[in-house]
This record gives sequence, C-alpha cells and structure tokens, in this order.
Amino acid sequence: DAGVTQSPTHLIKTRGQHVTLRCSPISGHKSVSWYQQVLGQGPQFIFQYYEKEERGRGNFPDRFSARQFPNYSSELNVNALLLGDSALYLCASTPGRAGRFGYTFGSGTRLTVV
Amino acid sequence: AQKVTQAQTEISVVEKEDVTLDCVYETRDTTYYLFWYKQPPSGELVFLIRRNSFDEQNEISGRYSWNFQKSTSSFNFTITASQVVDSAVYFCALSGLTQGGSEKLVFGKGTKLTVNP
Repeated sequence: DAGVTQSPTHLIKTRGQHVTLRCSPISGHKSVSWYQQVLGQGPQFIFQYYEKEERGRGNFPDRFSARQFPNYSSELNVNALLLGDSALYLCASTPGRAGRFGYTFGSGTRLTVV
Repeated sequence: AQKVTQAQTEISVVEKEDVTLDCVYETRDTTYYLFWYKQPPSGELVFLIRRNSFDEQNEISGRYSWNFQKSTSSFNFTITASQVVDSAVYFCALSGLTQGGSEKLVFGKGTKLTVNP
C-alpha cells in the first residue's frame, strides 16, 4: 500500500512568489495535517483537515492556506513567500482521531526561498 | 498550553552502548497521547510508539524501550546496544484535543543521536 505521498520533493522559489504543495494521504485516511519544520527545530503545526473541513489552525499568518479535496488529498498554499518560509513541509494522515490511530508522515517537500 | 522539552540537543555514543533520550511534557488535558518519531537524513518522520495517558505500562520492542511516568510528566526512550543505523534525530511529541475539536502534535526540538562504529 502506498504511504503518504507529497509533491514536489524539492522546490526553489523567489521571495514574493506563491507556492502550492500537494499531499495524498494513505487510502482510507480522512484526516490530513500540515507541519512546517525549520532546520534544527521540531515540526510546527499549520493546519488540520478532517472530512474536507478545516478543524484546526496553528499560529501562522494568513499567507498560509490549505484545502482538502473530495478524495481527501490536500494542498497547502503559501503566498508572498518570505525567506523565513524556507523549511521542510510535512504532511501527515490518519484515519480519524490522530491520537487513537497515530499519524503517518510523508517524506516532505523541501522549500527554499531565495 | 502544551509543551514538550527534549533537553538533550545532541548525543554521541559508540556502537553497542545503551542510550536514553529524555522527554518531559506539559499539558492540562486529562486525555492525551505521547509519541516518539525517528527522522533519518531523508526527512521522513518514522513512527516508533504511541502511548495514551491512561496506560503507564512500560513497553519494550526489540532494542527499544519506553518509560512513561505520569508523576514526573516524562516519557523517556532507551535504545539498548545501539547500532550505527540508529543514528538520526528523535522527536518526542504530545497530542491533545483542543476546544475546537482539532487535534495536533506538539513536538520537542529533537535529539540528534550519532552512533559511532
């Protein structure tokens, strides 16, 4: 069975540009979460979506947005990129309540903003 | 607010040594879950263990063992007879429900383990 897949794996963007990152959860998983991991730090929660609805949002500016599609895949959008947005972006999926089932993470998208 | 502290930033050991990674957490939730993840250089977070707040039994899985002590809010991870392949960054994480019904993981800053041959 395929795990959580993320695309692209690497990306280089210029300050001020927009970026879209994509995530496909494990088949049957209805919840997708996004995390940002800056070099040398632990991942920070950005969004959680469950059954196509936003269920939680971390302390990130409105430049960050996301959505979940009917097939439970998800997109993370970041507008007006800043140098500080350079990070590894991780997507995680779970069948339902994450604590009960645990999270499965993808390999991430490494975004570099120059 | 929830918080996870991994006081050890980096640990270096020689192969076959035992090593313990410390994790201390803070939460006001009565129901919560604790996790350990391994992150090799490739970047993917590999799930190691999940423990709920009502289960204080220690767990052993091969060379890995976990010691959960609610009284001290700690969830420590021990690798017995370490191997070079254990070299990675290890994260402890805490999950709890918010009033809005969302659930998120709060991670520590991680401990980088280097096992030298």
